[in-house]
Amino acid sequence: QQQVKQSPQSLIVQKGGISIINCAYENTAFDYFPWYQQFPGKGPALLIAIRPDVSEKKEGRFTISFNKSAKQFSLHIMDSQPGDSATYFCAASIMGGSYIPTFGRGTSLIVHP
Amino acid sequence: DAGITQSPRHKVTETGTPVTLRCHQTENHRYMYWYRQDPGHGLRLIHYSYGVKDTDKGEVSDGYSVSRSKTEDFLLTLESATSSQTSVYFCAIRGGESYEQYFGPGTRLTVT
Repeated sequence: QQQVKQSPQSLIVQKGGISIINCAYENTAFDYFPWYQQFPGKGPALLIAIRPDVSEKKEGRFTISFNKSAKQFSLHIMDSQPGDSATYFCAASIMGGSYIPTFGRGTSLIVHP
Repeated sequence: DAGITQSPRHKVTETGTPVTLRCHQTENHRYMYWYRQDPGHGLRLIHYSYGVKDTDKGEVSDGYSVSRSKTEDFLLTLESATSSQTSVYFCAIRGGESYEQYFGPGTRLTVT
């Protein structure tokens, strides 16, 4: 059972464009939603995270939008740059305890110069 | 980098042989995790540890065992490697007060 569905699998964007990656979850108990960025040959690294008490969180060119009623959240990368080319993973988890996040399957983003 | 090392970084082994991967942290974090990453599957949890000698299974634990005898080391063992265990393995750590997981550089394992 795939608890976190991520789309698209791959995304090609021109430099300066907006990259949008979407995730949907099923478990209404999830209360922490991080996004990870992974460059080839490296481990994932936390990019930005949101809790469901806010509908949007922005850090630089990266914004998470959160829709609790629809059980969806998305990552927007504004003014996409070639250096943003990476694989992005969304995740969802229940805060507390051993904290076991459920990851989406990832989106490979390519930003053309 | 959050003070996590994994060894070896690359390994090729034959079907049926035992393999042990090591994760070492210098952060004194309580929680440690082993994931495998495969194309189209994202990151899947194998086992995790919430303290010395305290471990639990993840969603893909069959064929794997773990041990944590010291805070800084978390070992993943494939008792008898199979080709389906060819993958990239990532270790992650987390401090008790934070929900941010820090991932190691990964180990690429090929089982022939």
